[in-house]
Amino acid sequence: GAVVSQHPSWVICKSGTSVKIECRSLDFQATTMFWYRQFPKQSLMLMATSNEGSKATYEQGVEKDKFLINHASLTLSTLTVTSAHPEDSSFYICSARGSRTGSFNQPQHFGDGTRLSIL
Amino acid sequence: EDQVTQSPEALRLQEGESSSLNCSYTVSGLRGLFWYRQDPGKGPEFLFTLYSAGEEKEKERLKATLTKKESFLHITAPKPEDSATYLCAVQDTGTASKLTFGTGTRLQVTL
Repeated sequence: GAVVSQHPSWVICKSGTSVKIECRSLDFQATTMFWYRQFPKQSLMLMATSNEGSKATYEQGVEKDKFLINHASLTLSTLTVTSAHPEDSSFYICSARGSRTGSFNQPQHFGDGTRLSIL
Repeated sequence: EDQVTQSPEALRLQEGESSSLNCSYTVSGLRGLFWYRQDPGKGPEFLFTLYSAGEEKEKERLKATLTKKESFLHITAPKPEDSATYLCAVQDTGTASKLTFGTGTRLQVTL
């Protein structure tokens, strides 16, 4: 149980392209999904928290117009990196948390990440 | 501001050689402490949640313990397949859903 699927697993594209990454909870409903960024040998840094049907909450320093997040259903959230540049190259990981009662401190379950390389 | 410090950064063990990984944390109020395992190029895999000091949880060769300032992940008689990066994260009662992660301990278990 608690499977999170992330797609695509890797993307290589030219500078200026917009890239969309999908995150799906396959066997549970996720009222809250999270988007992280991870640099080599560094920790996961939270970018934003999204709740189904409402606007995402972005962490300080994360440009909301650059990283568009949509959480249209209880099983799907998307992250779009708009007009990507080489400095946006990174490993992006999503996670989801279930919606059952008392879920506030339930664990987040992670997707396998998307390796984004901007040329 | 919540802080999580993990040590050591890297650990190399021989198969069967037991050891412990440390996670020291600072939070205003602990809602939960989480241990994850991350393999190269993959997302973190959930291992344990600990909620209060004195709590312990076990899974196969792994045992996690919690005090008011730190958590330990004990690995008993490790095997090569236990090689991975182990991440510790805390959730503060004042920051709702947010997890603050440490930088992890890279564990390598050799034959």
